[in-house]
Amino acid sequence: AQSVTQLDSQVPVFEEAPVELRCNYSSSVSVYLFWYVQYPNQGLQLLLKYLSGSTLVKGINGFEAEFNKSQTSFHLRKPSVHISDTAEYFCAVSAWGGATNKLIFGTGTLLAVQP
Amino acid sequence: DVKVTQSSRYLVKRTGEKVFLECVQDMDHENMFWYRQDPGLGLRLIYFSYDVKMKEKGDIPEGYSVSREKKERFSLILESASTNQTSMYLCASSFPGFRGETQYFGPGTRLLVL
Repeated sequence: AQSVTQLDSQVPVFEEAPVELRCNYSSSVSVYLFWYVQYPNQGLQLLLKYLSGSTLVKGINGFEAEFNKSQTSFHLRKPSVHISDTAEYFCAVSAWGGATNKLIFGTGTLLAVQP
Repeated sequence: DVKVTQSSRYLVKRTGEKVFLECVQDMDHENMFWYRQDPGLGLRLIYFSYDVKMKEKGDIPEGYSVSREKKERFSLILESASTNQTSMYLCASSFPGFRGETQYFGPGTRLLVL
């Protein structure tokens, strides 16, 4: 069975500062990992995903994430955040649901960017 | 552009009412999903469907049912709404088979059961 842990429920950060949102996963099979973002009053949209190959994955809006198999982590980073990055961020792992693929989500991290 | 729409953004219902939440996608996706989102719990899968008239239970199916009569439409039904079903409901869709497929989400329906 797969699971995802996001230890930080909230991360406050000042504008233009760097940020790292942490994600750890558990899986007995090879993994596909995702980061989704949810802006206020909206649905989720894909930020980036790791399928295979290079362990550094670049996504939209200047975000990137690094897959670390030995530490079972997939942390999300941005070197300089903007007010508009304020949102909830969800890490997810893909699992086979018997008939098709499904996603197992973490509990989310609220990134609060302050001026 | 990819589009998943949900019939209502906000809904207020009374305990015991039958509630229908509708989701429509225009991407010809085989897979469709219903999640509920609660603070501190993230997204939890209620039901999913991998083809017309086919459905599978997710992690929290109790108190819910679904219907998929057409490929583009997936309905979530609360047979007798209860206050503990007050939540945000999100619909998503994706292509089948490949575990790395992106899921595309609708804007969500915030349901309040009084």
